[in-house]
Amino acid sequence: DGGITQSPKYLFRKEGQNVTLSCEQNLNHDAMYWYRQDPGQGLRLIYYSQIVNDFQKGDIAEGYSVSREKKESFPLTVTSAQKNPTAFYLCASSPTSGLTYEQYFGPGTRLTVT
Amino acid sequence: AQKITQTQPGMFVQEKEAVTLDCTYDTSDPSYGLFWYKQPSSGEMIFLIYQGSYDQQNATEGRYSLNFQKARKSANLVISASQLGDSAMYFCAMRETNTDKLIFGTGTRLQVFP
Repeated sequence: DGGITQSPKYLFRKEGQNVTLSCEQNLNHDAMYWYRQDPGQGLRLIYYSQIVNDFQKGDIAEGYSVSREKKESFPLTVTSAQKNPTAFYLCASSPTSGLTYEQYFGPGTRLTVT
Repeated sequence: AQKITQTQPGMFVQEKEAVTLDCTYDTSDPSYGLFWYKQPSSGEMIFLIYQGSYDQQNATEGRYSLNFQKARKSANLVISASQLGDSAMYFCAMRETNTDKLIFGTGTRLQVFP
């Protein structure tokens, strides 16, 4: 079955540690995205990538980094510079840029930093 | 600035009844796409329906329809014949020409009761 996988589903880290969230898709989609969701809030865009080896900052990129070395993979690193990293993180992909293409989402990773 | 507003934090509906979830948007771009997503308690975002700004007819997908009023900048989701499984968070989102960003509203929690 085609889809997006995110692992792990729950992640716990100590403050001051960097942590990398994985996102893999086998849908052959060009574009991939990372969103953050806080309780009672909508999704906010962290980073997105339209093509391998290229990515752009979203609305809340500070304290995060990404890479896009392969079409299938778009890992997100939450660095110690992120002031409030505890949140639900969702990865998404779409076939290509364009208005009509919906984004397909993974199951999400819930990160807790203490 | 582009913005999506969902003014109903929570809605209740009885099984088999219809319900309307409100969404208004703000953009200066003449070309845009509007999406509705469902987020059950598991966290995954499920695409429901899409409406393009130049579409002449309201979009429909099974029990979901979109009441698109362009002049009023509203894109309300109508769910007919509600089912218990429809209980979830519902998010309205907008995508603009020349960007890959989806801008989300804060969501509406729908609860369907027997």
